[in-house]
Amino acid sequence: NAGVTQTPKFRILKIGQSMTLQCTQDMNHNYMYWYRQDPGMGLKLIYYSVGAGITDKGEVPNGYNVSRSTTEDFPLRLELAAPSQTSVYFCASIRGASNYGYTFGSGTRLTVV
Amino acid sequence: ELKVEQNPLFLSMQEGKNYTIYCNYSTTSDRLYWYRQDPGKSLESLFVLLSNGAVKQEGRLMASLDTKARLSTLHITAAVHDLSATYFCAVDNNDMRFGAGTRLTVKP
Repeated sequence: NAGVTQTPKFRILKIGQSMTLQCTQDMNHNYMYWYRQDPGMGLKLIYYSVGAGITDKGEVPNGYNVSRSTTEDFPLRLELAAPSQTSVYFCASIRGASNYGYTFGSGTRLTVV
Repeated sequence: ELKVEQNPLFLSMQEGKNYTIYCNYSTTSDRLYWYRQDPGKSLESLFVLLSNGAVKQEGRLMASLDTKARLSTLHITAAVHDLSATYFCAVDNNDMRFGAGTRLTVKP
């Protein structure tokens, strides 16, 4: 049981480049989330999804896009990378009303130069 | 909009001492989580508190929830060095919002 898998683990982008951060979970969880964590800070919600085909904006959605075509996958797209998007990105999932907390991926450390 | 506030943000403790971390939130919710994060690592779920008055304990950590006061506490008993980490509370209101975290350092 792999849990939540994020790829890549590290990436350096140049300003204006685009990339997709991948997130896959194998727990059949309905809910999936993308957070960013800036150094020494808490987590800010970027986008979330309550099921396949449904996505919603979180606190800081500007500059990002998501899709949820399957239950398992929830990729995060950066279209025109900016230095302000330098951060660690975490994907998380949960079944729904759960007695357990979110399951987090190991994170993607992104640097935009 | 849901806001989650933790205090203190930084906490330096001596081993063997007790202390409490506080988590206040701004809107009604009956589902509160505590997570631990070690430096450079992902988040690990510690506690899920699902109702008013809920109390959960694991080792030297005890978490409680007062939904009327919109307050959760994480109490540390007889701290040890291994508890050094950043602790986050998070409130579930259709999406999960996190506090800024409490960076705990336990010194010998």
